[in-house]
Amino acid sequence: EVQLVESGGGLVQPGGSLRLSCAASGFTFSSYSMNWVRQAPGKGLEWVSYISSSSPTIYYADSVKGRFTISRDNAKNSLFLLMNSLRAEDTAVYYCARRMTNAWRAFDYWGQGTLVTVSS
Amino acid sequence: DIQMTQSPSSVSASVGDRVTITCRASQGISSWLAWYQQKPGKAPKLLIYDASSLQSGVPSRFSGSGSGTDFTLTISSLQPEDFATYYCQQANNFPRTFGQGTKLEIK
Repeated sequence: EVQLVESGGGLVQPGGSLRLSCAASGFTFSSYSMNWVRQAPGKGLEWVSYISSSSPTIYYADSVKGRFTISRDNAKNSLFLLMNSLRAEDTAVYYCARRMTNAWRAFDYWGQGTLVTVSS
Repeated sequence: DIQMTQSPSSVSASVGDRVTITCRASQGISSWLAWYQQKPGKAPKLLIYDASSLQSGVPSRFSGSGSGTDFTLTISSLQPEDFATYYCQQANNFPRTFGQGTKLEIK
């Protein structure tokens, strides 16, 4: 069974940092590209970042570029999001999501999410 | 960036009704469109990928169509478990972008 489990969320002050993790199981993690998607309270979905299966290709939303860093450790079946210079508008539930294999580009599995609250 | 616009933003319907949600892209995205269902407090769930392909395990009352800039999600006969928020997402370019969502409520 495919499972994605996020962790690392919490309360952080503006300007602070946080590192999110996503533990993957039930599939060959190293073969799949991964994404982070967030959802502010009561709002819609916002794509945050993408990393290809073997890490040479990375993309970010403009809203986080230069502040967030996506990475992965295929040996540990883990995806990460390092978030620096956090702002109030980064408050959201953060989901990791797997991109479908091969030619398809949709996100077929999602974690349960981890809540990040940026507040003083 | 490609803007995705869904309509309506909300819709009220009854069990057994046929419902159609539309999604328009600000530029052509071929068939690189997905539909997701989200229930309160839960992660999104993939329903349709590649505009019209039904994800494994999703009931056949869900269907998708369209290409280029105009897309639709149709639920042929609403069931109680279908009341949720639906999002479209383009996968043609980065940044990936989602529609604002359509909340499907019980009439």
